[in-house]
Amino acid sequence: DVKVTQSSRYLVKRTGEKVFLECVQDMDHENMFWYRQDPGLGLRLIYFSYDVKMKEKGDIPEGYSVSREKKERFSLILESASTNQTSMYLCASSPQGAVVNEQFFGPGTRLTVL
Amino acid sequence: AQSVAQPEDQVNVAEGNPLTVKCTYSVSGNPYLFWYVQYPNRGLQFLLKYITGDNLVKGSYGFEAEFNKSQTSFHLKKPSALVSDSALYFCAVRTLNSGNTPLVFGKGTRLSVIA
Repeated sequence: DVKVTQSSRYLVKRTGEKVFLECVQDMDHENMFWYRQDPGLGLRLIYFSYDVKMKEKGDIPEGYSVSREKKERFSLILESASTNQTSMYLCASSPQGAVVNEQFFGPGTRLTVL
Repeated sequence: AQSVAQPEDQVNVAEGNPLTVKCTYSVSGNPYLFWYVQYPNRGLQFLLKYITGDNLVKGSYGFEAEFNKSQTSFHLKKPSALVSDSALYFCAVRTLNSGNTPLVFGKGTRLSVIA
């Protein structure tokens, strides 16, 4: 069974902390994505990566950075967490090159910044 | 630019009745369309996709969707709703020109099936 896993289901952090959200996939997918989900706004793309050490900005990259040192792992970093970054964060992956392929999602991390 | 609209934030339907969750899209070129479902406190699960061929696509859990090019729509349907179908549904699109780029998602429609 294919899997995308995220390091935490729930996370509570304080304003100004540096926060790491980890995502691992076991499907040997080239593409990985980070979204945030907020009520009424749907899924908004933060960053994505189509290869190791490669990254592309999505629609809302401000306040975030990413790291992809290994193919299976894609990390989202909040350099200095703020209350407006309280949200559900979803990681996804997909194979490269086939536009018809769906994305596979992890269970999500609900982050609360106090 | 690609975009997806889900015109209804909430859909309520009685158990046993047919359900429809609406989706319209805007793309340049041929669309590849997807439906996902999200149950409470879970990630998104793939339901079905339209790539080419038959306009009626069948997917998981008895769901189907009809691609209508003239109306630029891809509505999700089920003949008989179950209480367990209550969830958040997302429509998404990509085009042939978009290569490895991510899916573009709608804002979601919350389906509530009432017993």
